[in-house]
Amino acid sequence: NAGVTQTPKFRVLKTGQSMTLLCAQDMNHEYMYWYRQDPGMGLRLIHYSVGEGTTAKGEVPDGYNVSRLKKQNFLLGLESAAPSQTSVYFCASSSSRNQPQHFGDGTRLSIL
Amino acid sequence: SQQGEEDPQALSIQEGENATMNCSYKTSINNLQWYRQNSGRGLVHLILIRSNEREKHSGRLRVTLDTSKKSSSLLITASRAADTASYFCATGPGGSYIPTFGRGTSLIVHP
Repeated sequence: NAGVTQTPKFRVLKTGQSMTLLCAQDMNHEYMYWYRQDPGMGLRLIHYSVGEGTTAKGEVPDGYNVSRLKKQNFLLGLESAAPSQTSVYFCASSSSRNQPQHFGDGTRLSIL
Repeated sequence: SQQGEEDPQALSIQEGENATMNCSYKTSINNLQWYRQNSGRGLVHLILIRSNEREKHSGRLRVTLDTSKKSSSLLITASRAADTASYFCATGPGGSYIPTFGRGTSLIVHP
């Protein structure tokens, strides 16, 4: 049972570079989420999706873009990375809005 | 901004003792969820309690909900070193809103 898989697990970028984080879930969940976790800040929602082909902004969407072309995948893009985007990024999925979320183990991203 | 806030921020106890952490929230909710996060891992769902429920149990976990005080508590009985983790509550006002997470309580259980 894979659950939610995030790729890559670690990455170091230089300021201005771009990259895409991939999240894949095998539970046929409609909802998918991207969070960032910073020390003392808890989890903050970046973007989310309520189904294939849909995306919506969360609490901290600036500097990020997302796409949900297939139900099982949710991609998070950084077009021009900034040091302030150094964080641990978590993807999650759920069957509906108020149901338990299943999390991946995170992507640790450092931007120099 | 977080809808739910956990208290205390950190808790240190001995193995065998009980651990209690609290979550306060601001608006009416559909349900409240508790999650655990071990170091370096993603969050794992523990318990979901609905707004019309007052208490729920799962093994050594007991969750209470007081909607009049807009608060919830998570009790871990007979703590073990393996319970060392951060614990988060997630609350959502229902409707079209996505549940939001608090900053968490860091629990350390000393063997």
